[in-house]
Amino acid sequence: RKEVEQDPGPFNVPEGATVAFNCTYSNSASQSFFWYRQDCRKEPKLLMSVYSSGNEDGRFTAQLNRASQYISLLIRDSKLSDSATYLCVVNRNAGNMLTFGGGTRLMVKP
Amino acid sequence: NAGVTQTPKFRVLKTGQSMTLLCAQDMNHEYMYWYRQDPGMGLRLIHYSVGEGTTAKGEVPDGYNVSRLKKQNFLLGLESAAPSQTSVYFCASSPTGGGIQYFGAGTRLSVL
Repeated sequence: RKEVEQDPGPFNVPEGATVAFNCTYSNSASQSFFWYRQDCRKEPKLLMSVYSSGNEDGRFTAQLNRASQYISLLIRDSKLSDSATYLCVVNRNAGNMLTFGGGTRLMVKP
Repeated sequence: NAGVTQTPKFRVLKTGQSMTLLCAQDMNHEYMYWYRQDPGMGLRLIHYSVGEGTTAKGEVPDGYNVSRLKKQNFLLGLESAAPSQTSVYFCASSPTGGGIQYFGAGTRLSVL
């Protein structure tokens, strides 16, 4: 079993739609959580950190459920420019090693 | 605003050849990382460094060596390339370690 699992998609949605991705992690000792965005053939870039109480950044909302060991990302009012692969990232401990999920691909259509 | 710069961007090697990938950052970050990304596998950590002169093994270190002689540079070496090392290699840096990392544009390596 992978340490961080994501549905690879693709999720095909029309502009303006709301879409949600989930990610599960297996190590209950994981301490911090993030969503990264990766455009096709580009480098990953930090989208947002995920806090225990949930957090929002514009159209993006991230939530963490420690009891069930899953993280979610909600995108409202999808734009064409949101088309990308979204990577769920977990920091297993207070050290320096991140574990990346395989990514969920989103395609927003006109 | 260069950030993290990787050279070369593309390379084709024959099995058994050696090469060095260079990563340079201009943000004065202590932490630097080398990852490889393969289809469906996500990014996997090869080696990392928590400061000048230090290196440590990541998840998939076999077949690779690294050096951090200067704070701004982190080199990844392949001594004898194998087809299994065909991948996209990303370098990243971080000011404090942890989940906030800044990535270079990647090096696409093919080993024939």
